[in-house]
Amino acid sequence: NAGVTQTPKFQVLKTGQSMTLQCAQDMNHEYMSWYRQDPGMGLRLIHYSVGAGITDQGEVPNGYNVSRSTTEDFPLRLLSAAPSQTSVYFCASSYGLAGVSGELFFGEGSRLTVL
Amino acid sequence: EDKVVQSPLSLVVHEGDTVTLNCSYEVTNFRSLLWYKQEKKAPTFLFMLTSSGIEKKSGRLSSILDKKELFSILNITATQTGDSAVYLCAVEAGNTDKLIFGTGTRLQVFP
Repeated sequence: NAGVTQTPKFQVLKTGQSMTLQCAQDMNHEYMSWYRQDPGMGLRLIHYSVGAGITDQGEVPNGYNVSRSTTEDFPLRLLSAAPSQTSVYFCASSYGLAGVSGELFFGEGSRLTVL
Repeated sequence: EDKVVQSPLSLVVHEGDTVTLNCSYEVTNFRSLLWYKQEKKAPTFLFMLTSSGIEKKSGRLSSILDKKELFSILNITATQTGDSAVYLCAVEAGNTDKLIFGTGTRLQVFP
């Protein structure tokens, strides 16, 4: 029972490089989201999706892009990495067509360092 | 602006103590409040609360919501070292599809 799978678990980038954090879920959840977690800041929503083909911005979307071509996958792209994007990133999914309607299932997290 | 505030930020107790964690919120069209426990990696779900005054309970953990005063508490009785974690509160606003998290309370339980 895989749940929510994120890759890679760790990544070091240089300023200006681009990369994609992958997220896949096998629970047929409509809702998927990306959070970043920084010390003292809690979890902050970057982007979210309520279904394939539909995405929207969260609290801190600048510097990140997402797409949702399938129900299972929700990749997060950093177009030109900056040191301020050093963080731990979590992908999460949940049941419900109209948005979050209960428990969020989290991936294990991806620790990104931008030098 | 929607916000969720947790207190205290940090708490250090001894095994056997009882602790109360607080979560207050200001959101438009409140839908639900959720509590999560985060140890080393991903947060894990504890409770979801939607109605005032109805206590949710799981073993030594319990939680209750007050929608009039806009807060929730998470109680842990007879704490154990395994309760050491960051406890996160999150609120779902009904007019958006967003779950807004507080900054968390770090609980440390010493033997």
